[in-house]
Parts: sequence; structure tokens; C-alpha cells
Amino acid sequence: NAGVTQTPKFQVLKTGQSMTLQCAQDMNHNSMYWYRQDPGMGLRLIYYSASEGTTDKGEVPNGYNVSRLNKREFSLRLESAAPSQTSVYFCASRRASEVAFFGQGTRLTVV
Amino acid sequence: GIQVEQSPPDLILQEGANSTLRCNFSDSVNNLQWFHQNPWGQLINLFYIPSGTKQNGRLSATTVATERYSLLYISSSQTTDSGVYFCAVDDFNKFYFGSGTKLNVKP
Repeated sequence: NAGVTQTPKFQVLKTGQSMTLQCAQDMNHNSMYWYRQDPGMGLRLIYYSASEGTTDKGEVPNGYNVSRLNKREFSLRLESAAPSQTSVYFCASRRASEVAFFGQGTRLTVV
Repeated sequence: GIQVEQSPPDLILQEGANSTLRCNFSDSVNNLQWFHQNPWGQLINLFYIPSGTKQNGRLSATTVATERYSLLYISSSQTTDSGVYFCAVDDFNKFYFGSGTKLNVKP
């Protein structure tokens, strides 16, 4: 079972470049999430999508945009990357208020 | 949003010892999960436990929703238990994490 799949696993960007992180789930979950994890810290919510066609801001949305392309896919876009966005990014999915499943993470470095 | 506090922040154990990790949260929640983040960064579900007690092998968890806390018990710890333990709670659709307890089990 694939579960939650994130691509890419690693990425290095130069300041000002743009990129899109991809996330796909095959569990027919309604809700999908993007988190960032900085060294020694917990996960902070960037954006979430409660259902196909809806997206909402989390705790740290500045500098990011998201698209819920369909029920399976939820992408995170950095329009103009900054060194402060160096982090590990996790995508998650779940049915509402049930067990959440996480992808393997994307390690992003902005130089 | 809901505030989630975990304690202790760091814990060092000798293999075979027992431990209790605590998670306090500031408001009523619909859902509480415990995760283990292994040294490779992977987040692994341990328990989905909005209330009551559950056990899975050497691990068990108890959530007292009315008093807004949850406990994770690790018995007879092993070196493979090392990593960071997170609790996460939800406020309807938003899902908030605590800052974690970093556990180091020494052989």
C-alpha cells in the first residue's frame, strides 16, 4: 500500500526560485495537510484542505500557496523561496477527526 | 488555536527502564494521536486515543479528555524506542502538534 506519497524527497533551491511539492494519497481521505518541521521542533501547520475544492490557512501560511487538485492530490508551492523556508515538509491525510497518516517528508534547503 | 504542551522535553533511559510521557492541551479536542518519529524522520502512528486507555505491546496510552491530558507509557524500553514522541490534537479540521519528547534509550 502506497499510503501518502511525497515528491521530491530532497531539494536544494536558490533564494528567489520557485517550486512545487507534490503529495498524493490513495486512501480516499477527505482531509489533507501540509506541515513544516524545523530542527528540534514540532510540526507546524501551513495549510490544510478539509475536502476537495477547499483550502484554509494554518499556523504559518506566509510565503506558501496550495492547490487541492482533486481528492487524491494536494500540492504546496513556494513562489519565491527564502532561506527561512529551509525545513522538512510533511504531507498528511485522514478522514475527518480520524487517524492521520504522514508521508516520508521532503527535505528542502534554500541557499 | 489549541496549545499543546509535552513533558519532559528530553529523557534518557537505560534499556529495560519504564517511562511516562505527558501531553497537556488547552481546550476540548475531537481527536488525539501519539506518534513516534524515528531517527530517519519517519512519523509512525502509535495510538489514536481521544479518550480512554489503549495498549499495544510494551506501549500504552491513556487520555483523560475532561482534564485535558494524555499519558504515554513505555515499559521495558529498548534502544529501538529512541526518537521523538509527539502528541497531536485536533480542533475540528486543524491538527496541532506538541513540541515533542526526545527519548534516548542507552544499551
